[in-house]
Amino acid sequence: QSVLTQPPSVSAAPGQKVTISCSGSSSNIGNNYVSWYQQLPGTAPKLLIYDNNKRPSGIPDRFSGSKSGTSATLGITGLQTGDEADYYCGTWDSSLSGWVFGGGTKLTVL
Amino acid sequence: EVQLVESGGGLVQPGRSLRLSCTASGFTFGDYAMSWVRQAPGKGLEWVGFIRSKAYGGTTEYAASVKGRFTISRDDSKSIAYLQMNSLKTEDTAVYYCTRVTTVTTRIGAFDIWGQGTMVTVSS
Repeated sequence: QSVLTQPPSVSAAPGQKVTISCSGSSSNIGNNYVSWYQQLPGTAPKLLIYDNNKRPSGIPDRFSGSKSGTSATLGITGLQTGDEADYYCGTWDSSLSGWVFGGGTKLTVL
Repeated sequence: EVQLVESGGGLVQPGRSLRLSCTASGFTFGDYAMSWVRQAPGKGLEWVGFIRSKAYGGTTEYAASVKGRFTISRDDSKSIAYLQMNSLKTEDTAVYYCTRVTTVTTRIGAFDIWGQGTMVTVSS
C-alpha cells in the first residue's frame, strides 16, 4: 500500500490528452514539492516534472504538472504511442523523514 | 555527459551481504546528495535511502524496510556512492538504481539523474 495514491491505469487515443492524479496528505504533498517520473518498458525511470510544475531541459511542453492542496496531477497532451509507459509521482514525507512514491500508473495509448 | 553507473549486483543467499557501487561522471559529485531506489520484479519504485552532501553533513536517511540493515556511504574523491546491504532477505530482490538528488534544504527535492540499474537476487 503506497503512501501516495495513483490510478493503476489510464488510457487515451493518440493525439488526445490524459491526466494522472496523485493523492497524498499534509505530511507529504501538502507541504513538499512533487516530482513525476516516466519509465518506458525495460528502461530506468526518467525525471519528467520537478518542483510541482517545472520541466527539466529536453522534456517537451506536452508534459505538465500541477498541485493543489494534498493532490498533484500530471497532464500529457498530444499523446503519442511512444508515451506508453509507467508514470510515478513522488515527494518527501516530513513525518517519515523519507521519500515516498505513488504506486505507479500504466498509460496505454490506444 | 552526466552519467551514473551501478555495479556489484548478483545472486546472493539470504542472510548474506552485498555491496553495490555507483560511479558518477560529468558533474561535481561532492556537490550533490545521492540516493538509491529499487524496483522488485513487476512492481513499482521503492525509495531505499539517501546520503546528503558534505555541505549538509553527509548524513543519511533510510526507508523503514531497510533501516538497520543497509548503509549508504560516499567517497567524494572517487565520485562513488555505495550501498552496503547486510542480512539480505528474499524480499530485497530488485533492480537497484542509483540516482542523483536535487535537494530542498536537507530534504530530497527530486531524482534528476538515474543509472541503468543493477539486479540483486536474494535466493538460496
